[in-house]
Amino acid sequence: DIQMTQSPSSLSASVGDRVTIFCQASLDIRDSLNWYQQKPGRAPNLLIYGASKLKTGGPSRFSGTGSGTHFTFTISSFQVEDVAVYFCQQSDSLPFTFGPGTKVDLK
Amino acid sequence: QVQLVQSGPELKKLGGSVKVSCQASGYTFSGYGISWVRQAPGHGLEWMGWVSTLMSHTDYAQKFQGRVTMTTDTSASTVFMELTNLTPDDTAVYYCARDKTMATRGDFDYWGQGTLVTVSS
Repeated sequence: DIQMTQSPSSLSASVGDRVTIFCQASLDIRDSLNWYQQKPGRAPNLLIYGASKLKTGGPSRFSGTGSGTHFTFTISSFQVEDVAVYFCQQSDSLPFTFGPGTKVDLK
Repeated sequence: QVQLVQSGPELKKLGGSVKVSCQASGYTFSGYGISWVRQAPGHGLEWMGWVSTLMSHTDYAQKFQGRVTMTTDTSASTVFMELTNLTPDDTAVYYCARDKTMATRGDFDYWGQGTLVTVSS
């Protein structure tokens, strides 16, 4: 199975901050990397697919880069409503696997 | 609008089984695959398997092979996930999630609201 790791495991940000989360795959997954946001008590919400494609209707402050084994998720200007846990997930091969998550809260 | 509506919470006993449903609406049901993903309390996300809504094809995570069955009822636009031989470690919120396109797998753009399954010993 492809193992996904994320860093940091948690962070605190102020409104307007630039937030960056890293995700690493144990094998080359090309650009088959997705990012989800999950708020407490809610289902995950797809933000970025194919490593860098913003889901239609998603806020433009969210972006993703990377390919192969190293990926980055960025919030360009952190907002209060961005408080959540963020997960990366590979969709290159079965079984699909998720990173452990990065909890982002308000400083 | 696309919606996936899951069945309600379940309380089960050790060794029992549970069947969770996921009813789709707002799009053409056949052709978009559905995965089941679970999340134990305070833990991350775990993919359990995938079912085709077009053909009778499933892919299960090895961890659940022999214990999980995913089926579809196309006439009711509904997908089912049955998990048997339950243990307390199966206590989790179970989500169904739809593939983003008919041509892709694993990029989940719509999710059900989740179904809490609690297993007591």
